[in-house]
Amino acid sequence: AQSVAQPEDQVNVAEGNPLTVKCTYSVSGNPYLFWYVQYPNRGLQFLLKYITGDNLVKGSYGFEAEFNKSQTSFHLKKPSALVSDSALYFCAVRGSTLGRLYFGRGTQLTVWP
Amino acid sequence: EAQVTQNPRYLITVTGKKLTVTCSQNMNHEYMSWYRQDPGLGLRQIYYSMNVEVTDKGDVPEGYKVSRKEKRNFPLILESPSPNQTSLYFCASSPERVGAPSFGPGTRLLVL
Repeated sequence: AQSVAQPEDQVNVAEGNPLTVKCTYSVSGNPYLFWYVQYPNRGLQFLLKYITGDNLVKGSYGFEAEFNKSQTSFHLKKPSALVSDSALYFCAVRGSTLGRLYFGRGTQLTVWP
Repeated sequence: EAQVTQNPRYLITVTGKKLTVTCSQNMNHEYMSWYRQDPGLGLRQIYYSMNVEVTDKGDVPEGYKVSRKEKRNFPLILESPSPNQTSLYFCASSPERVGAPSFGPGTRLLVL
């Protein structure tokens, strides 16, 4: 079965501190992984993706993600959090079936001043 | 501007009254999908399409229909809506299998 888990419903960090939003996945074949962000009353915005290559992927707004094949994880990171990073974050993985995409339940990130 | 558009953005309807939510993309993408977002459940795929006249079920297809007669359009049809279909719906498109989907702005549906 193919799936994505985001083990934390909420993550709270202080502004200026590093942040990590966790994601683990289960998929047949090569994983194609994505992170999206959703601000209140908005659609989903693409942050970054892993297809192949370097395990550390850099994306938009200073975010990066580390792919770890042995741990089947794709954690989202940022060295210094901003209050404006507060939003709902989703991890997603492409399935082995063409066209299928599986999302995690989302992690609400709150960055307090 | 490259985008995915959805209409309407907000819709209140009553049980059993057929409705259609339209989705259109101007990026010549082959893949299109519909998702619903519910609190605590994330996004779940309803239907997807790999090309014109090629559609298949996602995780939660019951109560929904789709069609892909043109490459740019992928409407979602609820023939007899029920209150459990109250949700936030997103359409998305991507250029190929490994491409990152681009999402529309969402349609908030309330079924009374």
